[in-house]
Amino acid sequence: EVQLVQSGAEIKKPGESLQISCQASGYSFTDFWIGWVRQMPGKGLEWMAIIHPGESTTRYSPSFQGQVTISADKSTSTAYLQWSTLKASDAAIYFCVRRLTGGPTLDYWGRGTVVSVSS
Amino acid sequence: QSVLTQPPSVSAAPGQKVTISCSGNSSNVGQGYVSWYQQLPGTPPKLLISANNQRPSGIPDRFSGSKSGTSATLAITGLQTGDEADYYCGAWDYSLTAGLFGGGTRLTVL
Repeated sequence: EVQLVQSGAEIKKPGESLQISCQASGYSFTDFWIGWVRQMPGKGLEWMAIIHPGESTTRYSPSFQGQVTISADKSTSTAYLQWSTLKASDAAIYFCVRRLTGGPTLDYWGRGTVVSVSS
Repeated sequence: QSVLTQPPSVSAAPGQKVTISCSGNSSNVGQGYVSWYQQLPGTPPKLLISANNQRPSGIPDRFSGSKSGTSATLAITGLQTGDEADYYCGAWDYSLTAGLFGGGTRLTVL
């Protein structure tokens, strides 16, 4: 059974750094793209970034390029999303997703990590 | 403003049929597959339709998808109160080399 287990909720201050994680299981981690989707409070889904752990290839939405960094650790089948300097506007739920090869389909979703950013 | 355009809301009575549109352009919907996702209140999104019209295992055949040109449509027949949710289309943009979502459509079953 495919599972994407995300790290717990975070409460941070503006200007702080943050890394959230997503541990995958139930499939070959290096064979599928894995990525992140943002949902701000009361708003829609925003596609952020994906990485292919087997090839170390990344793709970023222009809206998020330079704002976050996606990475993956093949040894632990874990994907990460990192901020160097958080802003209040980064407060959201972040979903970890697996992307099917060859298309846009995100077939498995994690439960989400809530990130709160407030001074 | 999302690159993929969906109506903000649709509504219909139980048992009826509703359709939700998703309009893109030649760089995204017109060039590749469209997926659809259902997000029930307080839960993560769930894949409903992949590759324009393919239902994953466990998705009832009341849900169907189609695509023509730069637009796609999700149809839901035999509406149930449990179908009340937000629905999102998704596509790959070959110019941006990134994924996209529509703005989402809230379905109300009256």
